[in-house]
Amino acid sequence: DTAVSQTPKYLVTQMGNDKSIKCEQNLGHDTMYWYKQDSKKFLKIMFSYNNKELIINETVPNRFSPKSPDKAHLNLHINSLELGDSAVYFCASSQTLGTPIYEQYFGPGTRLTVT
Amino acid sequence: AQKVTQAQTEISVVEKEDVTLDCVYETRDTTYYLFWYKQPPSGELVFLIRRNSFDEQNEISGRYSWNFQKSTSSFNFTITASQVVDSAVYFCALSPSGGSNYKLTFGKGTLLTVNP
Repeated sequence: DTAVSQTPKYLVTQMGNDKSIKCEQNLGHDTMYWYKQDSKKFLKIMFSYNNKELIINETVPNRFSPKSPDKAHLNLHINSLELGDSAVYFCASSQTLGTPIYEQYFGPGTRLTVT
Repeated sequence: AQKVTQAQTEISVVEKEDVTLDCVYETRDTTYYLFWYKQPPSGELVFLIRRNSFDEQNEISGRYSWNFQKSTSSFNFTITASQVVDSAVYFCALSPSGGSNYKLTFGKGTLLTVNP
């Protein structure tokens, strides 16, 4: 069983389109994250949700909107895609309350290519 | 602000050599967590180790060992008798502890290539 899964794995789209990436974790964790990895492999936090509540919102354009329908899911919607949005997007989860598990477990990543 | 520096961008070794990946961090927090992650060519991010700031014991796991020195703000990672399968990008990361801000601040990664 995959612990953190993301769909799709690859996403190729044109500038100006709107797209979504879905993430699900079956680890029972209470916190989920989105990270962006650019072409130089640099990883940077975008958002974090704890029990469906937005906790971290880094300096990300408003075109990016995360949505957490429940604590096992965190989706990322991107409006009006730009060339600079091309990257690998990683979802992650961890347990931060109760008995914390501080290490974050990552999904396989979604490679977004904007043409 | 938190910062993680991995000064070695790329390292190339021959199989069976030992190799150390350096990690230096900056934080104003008194308690924090340090991590190492491995990203093989397939692209996934694999958790290797977590160390909290009040535990400076070194750790060994098979061919992997970690040296945490709070006095120099370093958390170095050594692979003994490297193997081709160790070829990957290795990331050091830092997270505050407590509160609700558990974001990972990553270093830029070190690309390790182990040649046969």
